[in-house]
Amino acid sequence: SQQGEEDPQALSIQEGENATMNCSYKTSINNLQWYRQNSGRGLVHLILIRSNEREKHSGRLRVTLDTSKKSSSLLITASRAADTASYFCATVESGGSNYKLTFGKGTLLTVNP
Amino acid sequence: DGGITQSPKYLFRKEGQNVTLSCEQNLNHDAMYWYRQDPGQGLRLIYYSQIVNDFQKGDIAEGYSVSREKKESFPLTVTSAQKNPTAFYLCASSMGSATGELSYEQYFGPGTRLTVT
Repeated sequence: SQQGEEDPQALSIQEGENATMNCSYKTSINNLQWYRQNSGRGLVHLILIRSNEREKHSGRLRVTLDTSKKSSSLLITASRAADTASYFCATVESGGSNYKLTFGKGTLLTVNP
Repeated sequence: DGGITQSPKYLFRKEGQNVTLSCEQNLNHDAMYWYRQDPGQGLRLIYYSQIVNDFQKGDIAEGYSVSREKKESFPLTVTSAQKNPTAFYLCASSMGSATGELSYEQYFGPGTRLTVT
């Protein structure tokens, strides 16, 4: 079952602009992660935010988590053409297996040079 | 050079044939996973293994089988019972609690694209 739902499904911006992607989920979580996938490749882990955290930064990435709304956002600042990829949120449900990640359908980000 | 390898990158089979996808890791990770990805979709968990000689069904295990005889290897067999096997298959691993603190971050291989006609 799909836990997370990303919004928008696709996003096209110019280089240098900021990109914001949102993720909503359905159940209580232990943590939420964001992954990136270049076309036809494997996924790369970007950042993890725990359920007791509200905001986390890593380089040009900023992730927020609102557990009351069951939603998260990923902000990429000063985007580059190399940021073009699909971005997925994934959750570890609280009370479930710590090994099970449930992925959303992803946001396809296109950064135009 | 540490990482996860999957082979082959592309695989073609006739309907009714079983096919085995390879996944090897040299990260010394306890846990390994198999996912399926269909076009425009997220990943769906097929099977996962927390430790050698143990594995659990994921959300879409029907028509698939796995083994975990070695820590480094977690092969996936797509059987003829899988009704719609054409997809992109991704293997992943993570540090499990057996060798230290459980890490939720998963490391992915490059994937195998399976086409069944």
